[in-house]
Amino acid sequence: DAKTTQPPSMDCAEGRAANLPCNHSTISGNEYVYWYRQIHSQGPQYIIHGLKNNETNEMASLIITEDRKSSTLILPHATLRDTAVYYCIVRVGRSQGNLIFGKGTKLSVKP
Amino acid sequence: EAGVTQFPSHSVIEKGQTVTLRCDPISGHDNLYWYRRVMGKEIKFLLHFVKESKQDESGMPNNRFLAERTGGTYSTLKVQPAELEDSGVYFCASSPHRDREAGELFFGEGSRLTVL
Repeated sequence: DAKTTQPPSMDCAEGRAANLPCNHSTISGNEYVYWYRQIHSQGPQYIIHGLKNNETNEMASLIITEDRKSSTLILPHATLRDTAVYYCIVRVGRSQGNLIFGKGTKLSVKP
Repeated sequence: EAGVTQFPSHSVIEKGQTVTLRCDPISGHDNLYWYRRVMGKEIKFLLHFVKESKQDESGMPNNRFLAERTGGTYSTLKVQPAELEDSGVYFCASSPHRDREAGELFFGEGSRLTVL
């Protein structure tokens, strides 16, 4: 599976958009990009996933570059409750359960 | 609809004792996964059930760990005998997606295990 690279930490002001980058330069054509987050010590929470096209749901937007070597997770209006560790994971669809979490990005949303 | 539930939320045992963790997946989810985060480390995959069958157990650390899912409903993860390095949080997740589909995993809140 392709490896991902994320910054270890980021800050964001409450109410502003949080843009979390992820590099996955070795991604294969059949690999999806998934984003999960872990708030404090709770169980990981699914956010969004995509293959080629940009995706949007009620939580976030996922922007994938045309060459698919990087992506950005966008939280449009970050709140204090969005403070969490965010994980970018690349995985083939047929084995999407064996997720490799890595270290993720610690996002701190500040008042 | 109830989410993935795990029991106990926290267990404290002594080295050499046995502990059994239980996971109840979301009703109707054929796929059930166990993950764990030991102290200071990343969240790691342990194994994957499809109904009652083990689909992938490549992440199981050693033969002190035994996972079962009799009847394809709830699952148990037994650690016998427990060692100090087993301390951590054990997460269970479930998913309705077929093997070749991409989709989300629904995680429980985890069972914290402390081995003294």
